[in-house]
Amino acid sequence: QKEVEQNSGPLSVPEGAIASLNCTYSDRVSQSFFWYRQYSGKSPELIMSIYSNGDKEDGRFTAQLNKASQYVSLLIRDSQPSDSATYLCAVTWDFNKFYFGSGTKLNVKP
Amino acid sequence: NAGVTQTPKFQVLKTGQSMTLQCAQDMNHNSMYWYRQDPGMGLRLIYYSASEGTTDKGEVPNGYNVSRLNKREFSLRLESAAPSQTSVYFCASSEILDGGNEQFFGPGTRLTVL
Repeated sequence: QKEVEQNSGPLSVPEGAIASLNCTYSDRVSQSFFWYRQYSGKSPELIMSIYSNGDKEDGRFTAQLNKASQYVSLLIRDSQPSDSATYLCAVTWDFNKFYFGSGTKLNVKP
Repeated sequence: NAGVTQTPKFQVLKTGQSMTLQCAQDMNHNSMYWYRQDPGMGLRLIYYSASEGTTDKGEVPNGYNVSRLNKREFSLRLESAAPSQTSVYFCASSEILDGGNEQFFGPGTRLTVL
């Protein structure tokens, strides 16, 4: 059984702080890793992808991948109230089969 | 460029009724997917199509059928709806970018089965 685990939260951070979201997965042969943001009542929106160990930065977002420890994380710097959403981690083991975590709800307080 | 579109946006069915959810993408992507999302359970893959003419089962295929009508369209059919199929259904398509397979989602269909 492939599993992707996330803390459901809510994670509350003050505006301007760093939000740290974590995700663990069960299979060592996983290939690709994604972070999606989902606002309430809306569809998931891709914000980051990462395929190799290390850090990948895009604006205020940094994805970190550690395949040996089987975790992937997302850091959001200078958090804004507009970042308040549910963040979904997704992993592929087969190129076309995506497995999603249940999501972490982030609240950024003004 | 509309991206991924889905119809209908909302639907209420009675147990045993059938319906087809429609999905279309205008991004020339080869792969398309159907997911369901239930509260607290994230997204679960129902079926996917890696290319025109092919379909494969995902994590939760029971009670569903799919058709990849052409490269643009991928439909999901419920032959005999059950209350357990009450959910939000998302269609997605994907493109190979930077060595990975990145998905883009449609707006979703909210289905209630009474």
